[in-house]
Amino acid sequence: AQSVAQPEDQVNVAEGNPLTVKCTYSVSGNPYLFWYVQYPNRGLQFLLKYITGDNLVKGSYGFEAEFNKSQTSFHLKKPSALVSDSALYFCAVRRVGDKIIFGKGTRLHILP
Amino acid sequence: EPEVTQTPSHQVTQMGQEVILRCVPISNHLYFYWYRQILGQKVEFLVSFYNNEISEKSEIFDDQFSVERPDGSNFTLKIRSTKLEDSAMYFCASSGGGGNYGYTFGSGTRLTVV
Repeated sequence: AQSVAQPEDQVNVAEGNPLTVKCTYSVSGNPYLFWYVQYPNRGLQFLLKYITGDNLVKGSYGFEAEFNKSQTSFHLKKPSALVSDSALYFCAVRRVGDKIIFGKGTRLHILP
Repeated sequence: EPEVTQTPSHQVTQMGQEVILRCVPISNHLYFYWYRQILGQKVEFLVSFYNNEISEKSEIFDDQFSVERPDGSNFTLKIRSTKLEDSAMYFCASSGGGGNYGYTFGSGTRLTVV
């Protein structure tokens, strides 16, 4: 079985400060990990993915995520938050040949 | 950039009525999916479809639900007799296949059952 945990329902960050949205996963074998973002009344938008290789992956809008195999984590980060980053963020995992499973989501509020 | 297109964007239906949600996946993709999100909550897997048949379905996907790929481009989700608790955002997704592919999601159909 595979699962994803996002321990924070909401994260508040002041504009210009670094942000981190946490994600841990449980999957047998090598995981494929993803972050999606959902803006209000919009669909799911792909941010970035980890498949193999460098543990630090860079994605859209200045976001990056670090794969940590020993801690089974894939935290989303950004060095300097923007108000426009406020949205609902979903971490997701899949195995080869299996479906994507999403975490429950973390609402990110960037305070002006 | 290729997109997954979903129509309608918003559907209001009366309880007990049938609804069909439509999706046009990316043209060269082989795997198709439906997910559901109840108002700002977790995104839940409903069903996956490959080679003209269901490859996996969740417990949510009961006998009231069906999927179909009636032609080479459309992928539909039918709910035969809607219930109030079917009110949700429904997302279609497609994938080119293989584990290293993420999914491309459509913008969703908001279904409201009254």
